[in-house]
Amino acid sequence: EAQVTQNPRYLITVTGKKLTVTCSQNMNHEYMSWYRQDPGLGLRQIYYSMNVEVTDKGDVPEGYKVSRKEKRNFPLILESPSPNQTSLYFCASSLSIGIADTQYFGPGTRLTVL
Amino acid sequence: TQLLEQSPQFLSIQEGENLTVYCNSSSVFSSLQWYRQEPGEGPVLLVTVVTGGEVKKLKRLTFQFGDARKDSSLHITAAQPGDTGLYLCADHPNQAGTALIFGKGTTLSVSS
Repeated sequence: EAQVTQNPRYLITVTGKKLTVTCSQNMNHEYMSWYRQDPGLGLRQIYYSMNVEVTDKGDVPEGYKVSRKEKRNFPLILESPSPNQTSLYFCASSLSIGIADTQYFGPGTRLTVL
Repeated sequence: TQLLEQSPQFLSIQEGENLTVYCNSSSVFSSLQWYRQEPGEGPVLLVTVVTGGEVKKLKRLTFQFGDARKDSSLHITAAQPGDTGLYLCADHPNQAGTALIFGKGTTLSVSS
């Protein structure tokens, strides 16, 4: 089944404790991105990747890092999480950035930083 | 910075009713996408519209793109409980280096 998977689905952590949220897709997509969804603010893009070893900042990249060493994986790294990073995070992938290419979203990771 | 405004913010209706939700942009859309997000899941693409005045139908859902490409509507006929969810519009930039811009969404609840 074609899908985007994220792990963990739920995470409660404390300020300053490094964490990684994994994202994997099995559709051989080149384009992957991370979003956060907050009440009243909607979905905002954090980072995106056009292909392996090519990443760039989205609208809200501060406090996050990403890497794209393999085509299928695009982990989101929070080196020193803070409470304002409490949010619902989505990974997405598509064949390319063209409008004909559907973006597929993962099921989300709900992160709470205490 | 482009702003997408969706209305209404919340909508609660009975099964069988018709409804329309709206998406308005502060600038011309590159292309407009509508998504539905169910509780506990990620958004799922419903449709992409590109040409001003375009109308697309997906079963009981009708999507209209304004002639000036600055607004869109989603009409649902005979709503069902399975239509419950968050409806999001987004501008798809169709170019590298530009993020997909989402509206804040309309939360629809359809009760039986």
